[in-house]
Amino acid sequence: AQSVTQLDSQVPVFEEAPVELRCNYSSSVSVYLFWYVQYPNQGLQLLLKYLSGSTLVKGINGFEAEFNKSQTSFHLRKPSVHISDTAEYFCAVSLVSGNTPLVFGKGTRLSVIA
Amino acid sequence: EAQVTQNPRYLITVTGKKLTVTCSQNMNHEYMSWYRQDPGLGLRQIYYSMNVEVTDKGDVPEGYKVSRKEKRNFPLILESPSPNQTSLYFCASSGTGANSPLHFGNGTRLTVT
Repeated sequence: AQSVTQLDSQVPVFEEAPVELRCNYSSSVSVYLFWYVQYPNQGLQLLLKYLSGSTLVKGINGFEAEFNKSQTSFHLRKPSVHISDTAEYFCAVSLVSGNTPLVFGKGTRLSVIA
Repeated sequence: EAQVTQNPRYLITVTGKKLTVTCSQNMNHEYMSWYRQDPGLGLRQIYYSMNVEVTDKGDVPEGYKVSRKEKRNFPLILESPSPNQTSLYFCASSGTGANSPLHFGNGTRLTVT
């Protein structure tokens, strides 16, 4: 079965600084990868997804992520964060075969400091 | 507007009093799922449904029931709630295929005293 590890539970960063949220996955077969964002008092919404093709994926709000198969990673980056990026971010993985539900990491809380 | 609607948003109840949290989607999605979110534990899947009349246990099904009589609705039932079921609950839906992203409701915050 697949699994996801988000290495940092909390990441504080100053406004306009770059940020990287780390995600590693474990799977013996091909996967699809997703990042979701949860703003305060809201449900999760899709930020970006990797299905195939280019390993650099661009999402909403200036975020991007890079799929690295050899390191089984899918780290999320943004070159300059805003206060409004304060939220919880979840990495998730599903198997290309589609036989098992999506598996989520435990989340990383990004706090942007003015 | 495409959406997943959960009701109620907030619920306070007492131990043992049966309750139902409703979930409805208007996107004709086959797949629906319930999660609970707790601090430090992330999202944990309770039950999921691949289609009408097909439901399966997730990671933490104990103390919960679900039904999928219609494609659009997927209610979560707590027959005898206990304080350890105090949590934030999310319903989600998606189309078929592992590459289909999930669409989430806005959550139901349940407190069991």
